[in-house]
Amino acid sequence: QVQLVQSGAEVKKPGASVKVSCKASGYTFTGYYMHWVRQAPGQGLEWMGRINPNSGGTNYAQKFQGRVTMTRDTSISTAYMELSRLRSDDTAVYYCARWNYGDYDGIYYYYMDVWGKGTTVTVSS
Amino acid sequence: SSELTQDPAVSVALGQTVRITCQGDSLRSYYASWYQQKPGQAPVLVIYGKNNRPSGIPDRFSGSSSGNTASLTITGAQAEDEADYYCNSRDSSGNHPNYVFGTGTKVTVL
Repeated sequence: QVQLVQSGAEVKKPGASVKVSCKASGYTFTGYYMHWVRQAPGQGLEWMGRINPNSGGTNYAQKFQGRVTMTRDTSISTAYMELSRLRSDDTAVYYCARWNYGDYDGIYYYYMDVWGKGTTVTVSS
Repeated sequence: SSELTQDPAVSVALGQTVRITCQGDSLRSYYASWYQQKPGQAPVLVIYGKNNRPSGIPDRFSGSSSGNTASLTITGAQAEDEADYYCNSRDSSGNHPNYVFGTGTKVTVL
């Protein structure tokens, strides 16, 4: 079955970096963009960016530009999200999600149809 | 960037109907997708496109859109529908693709 398996929880000190992995199975990894979304404790969902696993091309939310790097390893069907210069407010659950799209009467629609279970990242001194 | 606004919380009696709305300029250009999230769990896609449900999502969930507003309707709400619901859309402003989530609506089933 289609699934995304994320790496385990991380505890980091302020200023450090964290790299979260997301291993895909059950589908052609290079056929779908992968998005990353985070959720701080008690807060809503926040889009961070996306990677095209086929080309490696990326788009990042402006808020994370310069601090986030999304990469992939097609040989093991795994996407990565690295966040640097961590602060306490980066404490959150980080999700990867497979992105899909379609159109109806010329109007495009986009959706994230498969999600990983999330990786908890705690930033604390 | 665009914003998507949702009511923070709504309540519905068991078996009744509730509508959750999502407002934003980007919804004039793109359909929203809707996600259900229960405590401690990852979001689950419940509606996408004009009004499409993934396999396994009950048909009591439906979606609609008009102008700058997208709606998710639960007809005959069940106890297990109590959750947070988020809309999502591509941001129609700017040249680079960005995506934005709504502020989220907590649905309580009474």
